[in-house]
Amino acid sequence: AQTVTQSQPEMSVQEAETVTLSCTYDTSENNYYLFWYKQPPSRQMILVIRQEAYKQQNATENRFSVNFQKAAKSFSLKISDSQLGDTAMYFCAFMKHASPTYKYIFGTGTRLKVLA
Amino acid sequence: DTAVSQTPKYLVTQMGNDKSIKCEQNLGHDTMYWYKQDSKKFLKIMFSYNNKELIINETVPNRFSPKSPDKAHLNLHINSLELGDSAVYFCASSHHHPEQYFGPGTRLTVT
Repeated sequence: AQTVTQSQPEMSVQEAETVTLSCTYDTSENNYYLFWYKQPPSRQMILVIRQEAYKQQNATENRFSVNFQKAAKSFSLKISDSQLGDTAMYFCAFMKHASPTYKYIFGTGTRLKVLA
Repeated sequence: DTAVSQTPKYLVTQMGNDKSIKCEQNLGHDTMYWYKQDSKKFLKIMFSYNNKELIINETVPNRFSPKSPDKAHLNLHINSLELGDSAVYFCASSHHHPEQYFGPGTRLTVT
């Protein structure tokens, strides 16, 4: 069974600084997807970034980028130029490539607070 | 326009009652899901329907029964509510693609 581990329950960062959230996962699959979701106090789940395991290039979305290390089964999220609106819970998620039975396996989350 | 909507957003009820949460998506997706987020914020899949057919049924008590009248709707009915059912329930949808779109969640409080 797949598992996702986020070892940092809480983190804080000063506004405009850079922060990295850690995520490791365990799987015997070769084809899969990895995601980072953001959940602000509004509780809406917002997709931040997605990575396909077969792609060696790390995904980037504006201020968000990942460091995907397939052999190490590591998938960290880097937030550059942190903004107050980045304050939220961040969830790392794994998904096996198994259409149509796609399902997320979520980590326990990291609560990020951006300080003014 | 709301892509994935859930009603109600908040639900407070007493132990032993039966309640339903409704989900609708207007994205034309063919797969819908229910997730449960507990008090520690842990998110776990409960059910998934593809073209109205149940395809994922995780270890969930029989008191929980999903129903999909059509591809755009997936409802969750809960019988004999217990204190431990208090959580936020998220509906999500997808279409031939791994990425899922979440609804705003329904906070269920059982007293």
